Amino acid sequence: EAGVAQSPRYKIIEKRQSVAFWCNPISGHATLYWYQQILGQGPKLLIQFQNNGVVDDSQLPKDRFSAERLKGVDSTLKIQPAKLEDSAVYLCASSLGTGTAIYNSPLHFGNGTRLTVT
Amino acid sequence: LAKTTQPISMDSYEGQEVNITCSHNNIATNDYITWYQQFPSQGPRFIIQGYKTKVTNEVASLFIPADRKSSTLSLPRVSLSDTAVYYCLVGEGNAGKSTFGDGTTLTVKP
Repeated sequence: EAGVAQSPRYKIIEKRQSVAFWCNPISGHATLYWYQQILGQGPKLLIQFQNNGVVDDSQLPKDRFSAERLKGVDSTLKIQPAKLEDSAVYLCASSLGTGTAIYNSPLHFGNGTRLTVT
Repeated sequence: LAKTTQPISMDSYEGQEVNITCSHNNIATNDYITWYQQFPSQGPRFIIQGYKTKVTNEVASLFIPADRKSSTLSLPRVSLSDTAVYYCLVGEGNAGKSTFGDGTTLTVKP
C-alpha cells in the first residue's frame, strides 16, 4: 500500500511571500488532515476534511491559511502571506475513519514539508 | 476535551522493557487510545490502538485499566532504533477532535 505523499520536502521563503503544499492521501481514505508541527512540540491540527468537505478548521488562521481538497482526493494547503512564526513542519495525514468515530481510525502520516520563513 | 499527559522524557538501555504511561482523565465512552511513534524528519507512525484491557501486536502491548483514565505502552526489549518520540492520542468522542500532546522522548542507550 502506498503511503501518504507530500511535496515539496523542504521550502525556504521570505516573510510575506506565499507558499503551497501538496498532499496525496492513501487511496480510499475519506478523511484528510493537515497538521502543523513546531520543533519540539506535538502536531497541531489545522484542518480536517471528510471527502471534499471541511469537518473542522477551528485552528486554521484563516486570514493567511487556506486549504482545499478537490474531488475528495488530493489536497493543497496555502499560506499567504507567510510570517516568521509559520516556520514548522506541515504534516498531512489520512484515515479511513468517518463520522463521530473519526479519531478512532488510525492516522497515516506523510513525512511532511519543512517550511523555513526568513 | 480529552487532554493527555505523558512524561517529557525517558531513558533506557538496550534489551530492557520500557513502559510509557499516558494519563487521560476525561476520556469519553466511545474513545479509543492510540499510540504513535515519530522519528526525526518523519511523520508519526501508528503503533497500537486499544479500547480496554490489553492489546498486543508484533511491536508493543497496550494496557488499559478498567477506569480507562490512563494507559501504558509497553515496548519489550528495546533497541537503539526505538529512540523516538512517542505520542498518546485519545479521540474526543462526538467532538471528532483529538489533540496531540508534546509526547515522550525515549532515548535508548547501548
